Amino acid sequence: EVQLVESGGGLIQPGGSLRLSCAASGFTVSSNFMNWVRQAPGKGLEWVSVIYSGGNTYYADSVKGRFTISRDNYKNMLYLQLNSLRAEDTAVYYCGRLAGTYYMDVWGKGTTVTVSS
Amino acid sequence: EIVVTQSPATLSVSPGERATLSCRASPSVRSNLAWYQQRPGQAPRLLIYGAFTRATGIPARFSGSGSGTEFTLTISSLHSEDFAVYYCQQYDSWPRTFGQGTKVEIK
Repeated sequence: EVQLVESGGGLIQPGGSLRLSCAASGFTVSSNFMNWVRQAPGKGLEWVSVIYSGGNTYYADSVKGRFTISRDNYKNMLYLQLNSLRAEDTAVYYCGRLAGTYYMDVWGKGTTVTVSS
Repeated sequence: EIVVTQSPATLSVSPGERATLSCRASPSVRSNLAWYQQRPGQAPRLLIYGAFTRATGIPARFSGSGSGTEFTLTISSLHSEDFAVYYCQQYDSWPRTFGQGTKVEIK
């Protein structure tokens, strides 16, 4: 079964760091475009970052320079390193597989990040 | 950045009735548009891609249409499990952008 399971969320103070993990099963992370999307409380969906199968990475302007997407091909895992966190980064973070380079055809259940003092 | 706008923000519909949701993109995204459904407390799931192609396992009562800048998601006869928030997303260019969502609620 194709599945994604996120972990690593929690309560963190402003300025802090956190690493989110996404465990994939049923397919190979490194053969696909993978991305992170977030949803602030009561709000809509916001694309955050993508890693291409070839390794190129891209970020939304709102997180550029603070967040880093990466993967572990041996563990079949996707990661998102969150640094210099701000209150506005509070959200549920979803990892997802892109069908080709296009739409998200597989979504995880999400992990919640709360940035507050 | 492509701007995606959905309307209405909320749609009140009775079970068994038809729901029509709109999504506008500026500039054109050709047919590179997807629709997602998000039930309360759940992750989004893919409904439609390529503007009109249903994803695997999606019932035929869901249909998509449009191209360029104007798109529509139609639910022909609402079931109880269809009351949810629906998002459209363009994948014609980076950054990928979503509409703000349409909540379909029970009338």
